[in-house]
Amino acid sequence: GIQVEQSPPDLILQEGANSTLRCNFSDSVNNLQWFHQNPWGQLINLFYIPSGTKQNGRLSATTVATERYSLLYISSSQTTDSGVYFCAVDRREGGKLIFGQGTELSVKP
Amino acid sequence: ETGVTQSPTHLIKTRGQQVTLRCSSQSGHNTVSWYQQALGQGPQFIFQYYREEENGRGNFPPRFSGLQFPNYSSELNVNALELDDSALYLCASSLHPGELFFGEGSRLTVL
Repeated sequence: GIQVEQSPPDLILQEGANSTLRCNFSDSVNNLQWFHQNPWGQLINLFYIPSGTKQNGRLSATTVATERYSLLYISSSQTTDSGVYFCAVDRREGGKLIFGQGTELSVKP
Repeated sequence: ETGVTQSPTHLIKTRGQQVTLRCSSQSGHNTVSWYQQALGQGPQFIFQYYREEENGRGNFPPRFSGLQFPNYSSELNVNALELDDSALYLCASSLHPGELFFGEGSRLTVL
């Protein structure tokens, strides 16, 4: 089956710093989503981005489908950005997402 | 707020018991997917229901079963609970095909 690798596994930042999270996947996909999991376990949708570039405030994402990777950019990080960021993909856009292992981000004041 | 609600939020069971978890999907969504997330891991796909029929299953034994109702709400049932079933169970709804939206999860502890 398709493999999803996220890097780095852990990241510690000072408030105000910028960061880039990467997601590599081993096969072509029709769905790619980025999520932020808060300390209570809720997965919060960040981007639905099987290809192209999107921006939402301080966050933006780019997926290069032909090269099988996606990047999540966080600018001017805040302590509330802390948590685990997951990339998830689906080959057939049917809702059977395959998740990476996540990147755990800690933003220090 | 995703519009996806799950119940109960927390529960404790003992080995061998059975558990039922419930999920109400976002209005207008016809597809419900269930995921299991063990501590420190990414969520793992259990199964999906589309218009009341099972539409794909991950690598989980038959003691994990489900239902989807005409209003598109769903249940996940787990029989003969094992210690390794302790996890966060996440429900997601979508308009097939499309973006998934997750509920807050049900945290199951098996003693």
